[in-house]
Amino acid sequence: QKEVEQDPGPLSVPEGAIVSLNCTYSNSAFQYFMWYRQYSRKGPELLMYTYSSGNKEDGRFTAQVDKSSKYISLFIRDSQPSDSATYLCAMSGDSNYQLIWGAGTKLIIKP
Amino acid sequence: NAGVTQTPKFQVLKTGQSMTLQCAQDMNHNSMYWYRQDPGMGLRLIYYSASEGTTDKGEVPNGYNVSRLNKREFSLRLESAAPSQTSVYFCASSLLTGPSYEQYFGPGTRLTVT
Repeated sequence: QKEVEQDPGPLSVPEGAIVSLNCTYSNSAFQYFMWYRQYSRKGPELLMYTYSSGNKEDGRFTAQVDKSSKYISLFIRDSQPSDSATYLCAMSGDSNYQLIWGAGTKLIIKP
Repeated sequence: NAGVTQTPKFQVLKTGQSMTLQCAQDMNHNSMYWYRQDPGMGLRLIYYSASEGTTDKGEVPNGYNVSRLNKREFSLRLESAAPSQTSVYFCASSLLTGPSYEQYFGPGTRLTVT
């Protein structure tokens, strides 16, 4: 079993819809939770990060962490065609250089 | 600022050949990383360098070597390429010398080993 599980998709939704992307993990030592966005044939770029539990909002994006369930989510409101990309979750512990990555979910927003 | 640059962008090798992937960053970052990305596998860390002069193995170091040439440059060498090393390779950097969630990635090198 992988340490971080993420549905690869693709997830296809119409423009304007609310999108929910999720990851589950098994290591209770994880404290940092990140979402990266990767456009086709590009490197990933950091979208949001959260430390420990709770919610964090940035514009149309909300990251949510539920450590009791070992489950993290990224919500995208008013989705746009420009949001079409692969979304990667990543996480790490307090004293670990290594980020552990999900496989990524491919998101397609249809105009 | 160019950010993180990687060369080459594409490469085809025959089994047993060697090559070096080059990476440079102009953000004065302390830490640098090499990842490989395979379909369905996510990103896997090959090697990292927490600071100039240090390198450490990541999750999948076998078949690779690295050199942190200076603060800006971090190269990845394949001594004897194998088809299992067909992948997209990303270099990344981060400011902090320690656990760092904010990593900046290069555009990647697509390597095919036949």
